Amino acid sequence: EAGVTQFPSHSVIEKGQTVTLRCDPISGHDNLYWYRRVMGKEIKFLLHFVKESKQDESGMPNNRFLAERTGGTYSTLKVQPAELEDSGVYFCANHITGTGELFFGEGSRLTVL
Amino acid sequence: AQSVAQPEDQVNVAEGNPLTVKCTYSVSGNPYLFWYVQYPNRGLQFLLKYITGDNLVKGSYGFEAEFNKSQTSFHLKKPSALVSDSALYFCAVRDPSGAGSYQLTFGKGTKLSVIP
Repeated sequence: EAGVTQFPSHSVIEKGQTVTLRCDPISGHDNLYWYRRVMGKEIKFLLHFVKESKQDESGMPNNRFLAERTGGTYSTLKVQPAELEDSGVYFCANHITGTGELFFGEGSRLTVL
Repeated sequence: AQSVAQPEDQVNVAEGNPLTVKCTYSVSGNPYLFWYVQYPNRGLQFLLKYITGDNLVKGSYGFEAEFNKSQTSFHLKKPSALVSDSALYFCAVRDPSGAGSYQLTFGKGTKLSVIP
């Protein structure tokens, strides 16, 4: 079974530009999560999809962030316009049914200059 | 609201020595506790979890953790460290009242360096 795939692995953009991160979850998994780690800080929850619906988006920092999951398959996280403080690693995850565990992708590192 | 504290930013240990990475938590009710590891240029990998039952939990790569309710701690341990254990370790807690959601609250992470 393929794991959670994220791309790009690293994106370097200038302040004010737009970036879109993509997550391809484990096939057939309805629940998809986005997390973010700003350098030296905690990994923080951003939002949770169940299929194509946003179950909980309480962790989204502000309206510069837009997450979508069309058709309940892959998900995108767009940052527009990017600010310096958006730099960090963005993780996508599925939860493993019946185990309580989250299975994470390798993350997308965003650097805003 | 739940929280996790990892009091050490970095832990250095000699290869072959026992290691401990500390974690304390705060949550209402009985917690679900997790340890994840991030190797260089890799994603987060699940190590072990405590949900209920025996306070000593064994996980991947020879790691174990002990749940201590009175001290609200969940320290990660390994009897004999390997150089390949060098990585970033994250403790996390899930509020069990969050039905249907696997939202985790993470600590800041502890960088473990095992010195040959």
